[in-house]
Amino acid sequence: EVQLVQSGAEVKKPGESLKISCKASGYSFGHSWIGWVRQMPGKGLEWMGIIYPGNSDTRYSPSFQGQVTISVDESLSTAYLQWNSLKASDTAIYYCARHYNWNDEYNWFGPWGQGTLVTVSS
Amino acid sequence: DIVMTQSPDSLAVSLGERATINCKSSQSVLYSSNNMNYLAWYQQRPGQPPKVLIYWASTRESGVPDRFSGSGSGTDFTLTISSLQAADVAVYYCQQYYTTPYTFGQGTKLEIK
Repeated sequence: EVQLVQSGAEVKKPGESLKISCKASGYSFGHSWIGWVRQMPGKGLEWMGIIYPGNSDTRYSPSFQGQVTISVDESLSTAYLQWNSLKASDTAIYYCARHYNWNDEYNWFGPWGQGTLVTVSS
Repeated sequence: DIVMTQSPDSLAVSLGERATINCKSSQSVLYSSNNMNYLAWYQQRPGQPPKVLIYWASTRESGVPDRFSGSGSGTDFTLTISSLQAADVAVYYCQQYYTTPYTFGQGTKLEIK
């Protein structure tokens, strides 16, 4: 069974750094694109970017380029989303999700993680 | 970026009645070389992550009830629920995966009348 298990909720102050994780199991991690989606409180879904774990090839939304870093550790079958300096406007639920089909960059999301709530407040 | 616009923003339908949600893309998501529309529909129930219902604009995901159907091509798409059930109360999103960023529509909230 494919599973994506995300790290727990975080409460941070503006200016702090953060790295959240998404551990994958039940499939060959290196061969499926995996991505991140933001959902601000009471709002819709925003596509942030995707990464191919096999070679770390990454695609960012222009809205998030330079604001976050998407990375993987293939040895741990884990994807990461990282901020260097959080803002209050980063408060949201962040979902990881895997492309439905192996090796297909142009694809929809199949399995999703449970979401990680990030709260940024002074 | 391709802008995805859904209508309506919210919808109240009686149990057993038909619900129709529209999605319009700012440019075509039909790839001419394979004649496939790069469009998916998701359902997000309260407190849950999204779940894919439809991909390639009209292919139903395994396990999704057949009351859900997708149609359309090019820039105009529709998700139809033929006979609304209580379990269908959710927010529905379309998404294009034709070109990055793979943008979502703003969502349509479906409620029971």
